Amino acid sequence: GAVVSQHPSRVICKSGTSVKIECRSLDFQATTMFWYRQFPKQSLMLMATSNEGSKATYEQGVEKDKFLINHASLTLSTLTVTSAHPEDSSFYICSARTSGTYNEQFFGPGTRLTVL
Amino acid sequence: AQKVTQAQTEISVVEKEDVTLDCVYETRDTTYYLFWYKQPPSGELVFLIRRNSFDEQNEISGRYSWNFQKSTSSFNFTITASQVVDSAVYFCALSEARAAGNKLTFGGGTRVLVKP
Repeated sequence: GAVVSQHPSRVICKSGTSVKIECRSLDFQATTMFWYRQFPKQSLMLMATSNEGSKATYEQGVEKDKFLINHASLTLSTLTVTSAHPEDSSFYICSARTSGTYNEQFFGPGTRLTVL
Repeated sequence: AQKVTQAQTEISVVEKEDVTLDCVYETRDTTYYLFWYKQPPSGELVFLIRRNSFDEQNEISGRYSWNFQKSTSSFNFTITASQVVDSAVYFCALSEARAAGNKLTFGGGTRVLVKP
């Protein structure tokens, strides 16, 4: 149980285009989803926290107009990187949690974004 | 504010050696959760253990063991008789019960390289 999927697993795009990444909880309802970014040889940095049906809460320094997060249902959250630039190239990881799970988050396999 | 420090950035051992990964945390909350995750080269995070702040018992799971000491705010992880498949980056993480969204704060990670 507690499986989280991400799609796509890998994406290459041209500078200036927008890219959408999906995060789905497959066998549970995720009241909260998180988006992380991980640069090579670095740790995971939380970008934003989203609760179903409400606006995402962004961490300091993360541009909300650039990284659009939608959590429209209890099983799906999307991250859209708008007008992507090479410096946005990174490994994006989502996680999901539901109530009563002792703060445990279930992580997706990650999406590697390369912006040319 | 919560903080996790993994002082060792990289550890290299020869197969069958034991390796201990240090994790020191900071929190003002009395109720919190500590986690260890493994990130192999594929990138997907693998959950290893969760420990709440009221349970100071050490735990052993196969070749893995964890030592939680509240007095020193440490939650160290030992791999006994290491194997090449243990080569990965290991992250320690902290979640405060009262943190907004119960978000996780990760340490910088320790890269373990097990040589045959």
